[in-house]
Amino acid sequence: TQLLEQSPQFLSIQEGENLTVYCNSSSVFSSLQWYRQEPGEGPVLLVTVVTGGEVKKLKRLTFQFGDARKDSSLHITAAQPGDTGLYLCAGARNYGQNFVFGPGTRLSVLP
Amino acid sequence: GAVVSQHPSWVICKSGTSVKIECRSLDFQATTMFWYRQFPKQSLMLMATSNEGSKATYEQGVEKDKFLINHASLTLSTLTVTSAHPEDSSFYICSARLSASRFGETQYFGPGTRLLVL
Repeated sequence: TQLLEQSPQFLSIQEGENLTVYCNSSSVFSSLQWYRQEPGEGPVLLVTVVTGGEVKKLKRLTFQFGDARKDSSLHITAAQPGDTGLYLCAGARNYGQNFVFGPGTRLSVLP
Repeated sequence: GAVVSQHPSWVICKSGTSVKIECRSLDFQATTMFWYRQFPKQSLMLMATSNEGSKATYEQGVEKDKFLINHASLTLSTLTVTSAHPEDSSFYICSARLSASRFGETQYFGPGTRLLVL
């Protein structure tokens, strides 16, 4: 069983649309990270959240960490084809522990 | 952000040969590096944690005698796939951990190495 679940698994939308992807767990995490990975490349860190209820914005991307630190969401406003990729969340349950990755959401933004 | 490199980016080899992959942190020292394997359209699966100057810690199901890890310096870890077989074909990614704060550790990933065993 996956420690982290991500939904949806696949998402295909038109340029300009908004979308939200989710990362859920039954476990509490001390920190959670979001990455974007493009085909044939390593993941690139987008954000790290550590405080329950925390909201971080990165241009058109808005990240939220759940109050109980068990879940997180990533909202993209006015998606662009350049946003296409595999979005991975990763959580560490305690400081110093390894991050565990979710299965990812594969996003395709069509021009 | 911090930079992590991997070499080679692509390798094709015959079944039975050994392949070494290097992971370097270019602008910071990493006491801990991680090796992941990723199959097509799947997420990253942690293989092992590599600590400088000590033996690597392998995840359950990963054969330590097949996937040899050496972390000889604070900027270099190597993964050697010994006697590679077609089922070892995969995308191998390393990462290096940078401790930014008590709660905000960050991993920086290399670009990955695609291994194809014929």
